[in-house]
Amino acid sequence: QVQLQESGPGLVKPSETLSLTCTVSGGSISDYYWHWLRQTPDKGLEWIGYIYYTGSADYNPSLKSRVTISVDTSKNQFSLKLTSVTAADTAVYYCARDERDIVATIGAFDIWGQGTMVTVSS
Amino acid sequence: DIQMTQSPSSLSASVGDRVTITCQASQDISNYLNWYQQRPGKAPKLLIYDASNLETGVPSRFSGGGSGTDFTFTISSLQPDDIATYYCQQYDNVPFTFGPGTKVDIK
Repeated sequence: QVQLQESGPGLVKPSETLSLTCTVSGGSISDYYWHWLRQTPDKGLEWIGYIYYTGSADYNPSLKSRVTISVDTSKNQFSLKLTSVTAADTAVYYCARDERDIVATIGAFDIWGQGTMVTVSS
Repeated sequence: DIQMTQSPSSLSASVGDRVTITCQASQDISNYLNWYQQRPGKAPKLLIYDASNLETGVPSRFSGGGSGTDFTFTISSLQPDDIATYYCQQYDNVPFTFGPGTKVDIK
């Protein structure tokens, strides 16, 4: 069965770039939409953005100026970059699969990674 | 952004009790609503999609209903395994947004 695993640094300095990778195992990254989300005690669950295996992406407008999501189909991975981080970006970051394959109906996250805690601190 | 609210924020009930959580959207989202269960230290798990459809493998004691702006999530007979926080989430519009969660405990 399909499994997702986030990887990347657990500590990032303020003003630097947060970079995370999600590796998809047990299935192909093709034909699905893939998402990044994060969770904090204060703001709860927040959707960051999605990417399709073709490279088509969309982002949360609140983060759009700082976020890039990319995909590497040869490695069955997709990645998140968040620039100019502050303490407010400290969160558990999740990657997730969308169970729908039509962009007009996406938004149901059926498979999640275990999550990775990222702390922004000097 | 579409704002999602949930009530109550927490509840405590006995095993076997019927538990109902409500979720309200700030605008009409038709039936574009999902419900998730999140156990402590774990990722959320999709339980219900399209407001009322049970995800494969999810016990039938879970159910959902509603449309437009008002939705409900029900556990017909609370089990110890159901201790978790439950979230509603809309996917009518980007950005997809979640409710603040309802923490369910056993009395």
